[in-house]
Amino acid sequence: KAGVTQTPRYLIKTRGQQVTLSCSPISGHRSVSWYQQTPGQGLQFLFEYFSETQRNKGNFPGRFSGRQFSNSRSEMNVSTLELGDSALYLCASWTYDEQFFGPGTRLTVL
Amino acid sequence: DAKTTQPNSMESNEEEPVHLPCNHSTISGTDYIHWYRQLPSQGPEYVIHGLTSNVNNRMASLAIAEDRKSSTLILHRATLRDAAVYYCILRGTGNQFYFGTGTSLTVIP
Repeated sequence: KAGVTQTPRYLIKTRGQQVTLSCSPISGHRSVSWYQQTPGQGLQFLFEYFSETQRNKGNFPGRFSGRQFSNSRSEMNVSTLELGDSALYLCASWTYDEQFFGPGTRLTVL
Repeated sequence: DAKTTQPNSMESNEEEPVHLPCNHSTISGTDYIHWYRQLPSQGPEYVIHGLTSNVNNRMASLAIAEDRKSSTLILHRATLRDAAVYYCILRGTGNQFYFGTGTSLTVIP
């Protein structure tokens, strides 16, 4: 069974731009979570989607948004990028008890 | 958000057991205790989870205190491949995971 895939793997943007990251969960998994990982703040929960609905949201500004499609694929969008948004963005899909993480998208904001 | 406290770092000799502690004094009755680890340059991976009773799987054992305010992840024979950051997480209702800072485990050959 294929694992969680994330595209692109690396991305460089400039301040003020927006970015969209994509996540394809493991086949059959309906729940997808997103996390931001930085050296200073560690792994922080962004949001979780289940059956196209956002179920939970972490403490991030409204510039961070996401959505999930009917095939469970998910995207997250960051608008008006700031230098502090440089991070590894991780996506995970769920079975009932276990999360399976993708390799992440490394976003650099210049 | 239920919080966990872990030591920042630990060391272990290869092929010896490792006990990674976690304090979670504010745990509620329905919170599950989950452990994940993150190898260098990879996303986190599931290790083990439990509610009240001790748990074993092929990777590790989880010992949960009777009052559930602390737990210990046990790696029975550390290998170099076990060098990672280990996260202890409380999962309540829903799928919100708050990872904390974790314990960086160094395995000495």
